[in-house]
Amino acid sequence: DADVTQTPRNRITKTGKRIMLECSQTKGHDRMYWYRQDPGLGLRLIYYSFDVKDINKGEISDGYSVSRQAQAKFSLSLESAIPNQTALYFCATRNGRLGLDTQYFGPGTRLTVL
Amino acid sequence: EDQVTQSPEALRLQEGESSSLNCSYTVSGLRGLFWYRQDPGKGPEFLFTLYSAGEEKEKERLKATLTKKESFLHITAPKPEDSATYLCAVPLLTGANNLFFGTGTRLTVIP
Repeated sequence: DADVTQTPRNRITKTGKRIMLECSQTKGHDRMYWYRQDPGLGLRLIYYSFDVKDINKGEISDGYSVSRQAQAKFSLSLESAIPNQTALYFCATRNGRLGLDTQYFGPGTRLTVL
Repeated sequence: EDQVTQSPEALRLQEGESSSLNCSYTVSGLRGLFWYRQDPGKGPEFLFTLYSAGEEKEKERLKATLTKKESFLHITAPKPEDSATYLCAVPLLTGANNLFFGTGTRLTVIP
């Protein structure tokens, strides 16, 4: 089984709808991240969390919110989706106790906002 | 301002034709550099971490090197299965160690 899972894998929605993307991990990592990827722009950080009580905004947090329900679960919400939020969304995890350590990515969610 | 620039944007190679991908960076106090491989529609897969200038790491046909200003990913005798986008990333000089990614090099290896 995959260490980092994301649901759904694909989602098509309409402008103004509320959408939640979910991420779960079995790696036991404390740190979790949400990124979006757009062609030509690379991966950009939306939010990150050091533990269930520590949530931080990333580079492009406007229009998004997150919830860290447990150490293993980190959800990303779009309260009112708009077309320019169409992108690939990735969750990642990292073991913060090891200092500068690798981030491990989930398989991604392809979101289309019509 | 922190910057990570990858070149070329795209590279087409014949099978067996060796080449190098470049990742140049301007960040304060480099504390490491990461290389990832990304297949279409999938999440980035970790390849290497380099921590200091002069360091080299190898994995199969891939070899990553690091200088004070840039990193190279050398691909020796590539095969079609090496086709992917290769991303480099550096941790920003903040307490969070968050990664700043380049836009990647899309490699296509033709049989």
